[in-house]
Amino acid sequence: EVQLVESGGGLVQSGGSLRLSCAASGFTFSNYWMSWVRQAPGKGLEWVANIKQDGGEKYYMDSVKGRFTISRDNAKNSLYLQMNSLRAEDTAVYYCARDRVGFIGPNDYWGQGTLVTVSS
Amino acid sequence: QSVLTQPPSVSGAPGQRVTISCTKSSSNIGADYDVHWYQQLPGTAPKLLIYGDNNRPSGVPDRFSGSKSGTSASLAITGLQAEDEADYYCQSYDNRLGGVLFGGGTKLTVL
Repeated sequence: EVQLVESGGGLVQSGGSLRLSCAASGFTFSNYWMSWVRQAPGKGLEWVANIKQDGGEKYYMDSVKGRFTISRDNAKNSLYLQMNSLRAEDTAVYYCARDRVGFIGPNDYWGQGTLVTVSS
Repeated sequence: QSVLTQPPSVSGAPGQRVTISCTKSSSNIGADYDVHWYQQLPGTAPKLLIYGDNNRPSGVPDRFSGSKSGTSASLAITGLQAEDEADYYCQSYDNRLGGVLFGGGTKLTVL
């Protein structure tokens, strides 16, 4: 059974940093692109970033470029999101998701999400 | 700027058929990419409902179907049931932006 379990969310002050983790199991992690998708309270889904199987390609939404870094450790079956210079508008539930085929979607499995709250 | 536009809400009675549209707008019509659909029940993570315009993952009832024509895609739900009440999102890719896009979401209310 495919499982994605996020952790690392919490309350942080504006300008602070946080590192999210996603532990994957039930599939060959190194065979798949992986994504982070976020959802602000009461709002819609927003793609944040994704990363190729070997970590050699990474893509980001414009508003997080230069502040967030996506990475992965295939030996540990883990995906990460390092978030720096956090802003109030980054407050959201952050989901880890598997990319079914390549980097253009869809995301066929999702974690339960971890909440990041940025206080101003 | 490329966006995917969905109606904020739709509703229907049990047993009826409803459709949710997803229209891609862009100042530069580029390559045509697949549209995917997700269902998000209250308080839960999104679930893939339709991929590649009109394909259902294993386990998704055939009451759900997808279609696409030009720059518009649609999700159809037939035989509406109370448990279908949820938010629905379309998703596609924009090669000019170099990233994945989600529509704004549509709240389905079963009357």
